[in-house]
Amino acid sequence: DIQMTQSPSSLSASVGDRVTITCRASQDISNYLAWFQQKPGKAPKSLIYAASSLQSGVPSKFSGSGSGTDFTLTISSLQPEDFATYYCQQYSTYPLTFGGGTKVEIK
Amino acid sequence: EVRLLESGGGLVQPGGSLRLSCAASGFTFNNYDMIWVRQAPGKGLEWVSGISGSGGSTYYADSVKGRFAISRDNSKKMLDLLMNNLRAEDTAVYFCAKVSSNYGTDYWGQGTLVTVSS
Repeated sequence: DIQMTQSPSSLSASVGDRVTITCRASQDISNYLAWFQQKPGKAPKSLIYAASSLQSGVPSKFSGSGSGTDFTLTISSLQPEDFATYYCQQYSTYPLTFGGGTKVEIK
Repeated sequence: EVRLLESGGGLVQPGGSLRLSCAASGFTFNNYDMIWVRQAPGKGLEWVSGISGSGGSTYYADSVKGRFAISRDNSKKMLDLLMNNLRAEDTAVYFCAKVSSNYGTDYWGQGTLVTVSS
């Protein structure tokens, strides 16, 4: 199975900060990497697919990069509505696997 | 508009069974893999099971293999998860989701809570 290691597990940031979250796969997954945002009590929301493509309707302050085993999610200017937990997921092969999550909190 | 609506959650005793369902609309159901993902209270997302668009291939996490069975009825646009021999550690919100080879896991249902307790 492909293991997804996400870091950090949590971070504190201020409104307007630039935030970067990393995700590492245990083997090459090409660009089959997705990022999700989840708020408490809600379903995950898809932000990025194919490592760097924005889902429809997702603001351009979110960006993704990487291929192979190393990936990043960047939020260019953190806003109050962006405080949430973020997950990566590989969909290269079953079993599909998620990173452990990164909780973005207000400093 | 793509919509996924789960149902069937509830309280069940250890060792019991439960069937979850997911009603899909707004897309060509049989063209897409579907998956179940769960989230235990205060924990992260865990992929549980997946099924190909035709239903011919099924996949399970080791934690549920032999106890859970995924199925789909493409004529009714329904996805099911039959859960047997439930354990306390199966307590979670269960989400169904649509998987696209082009767009990844792009749509999720709102989730249904399964509580396994005596």
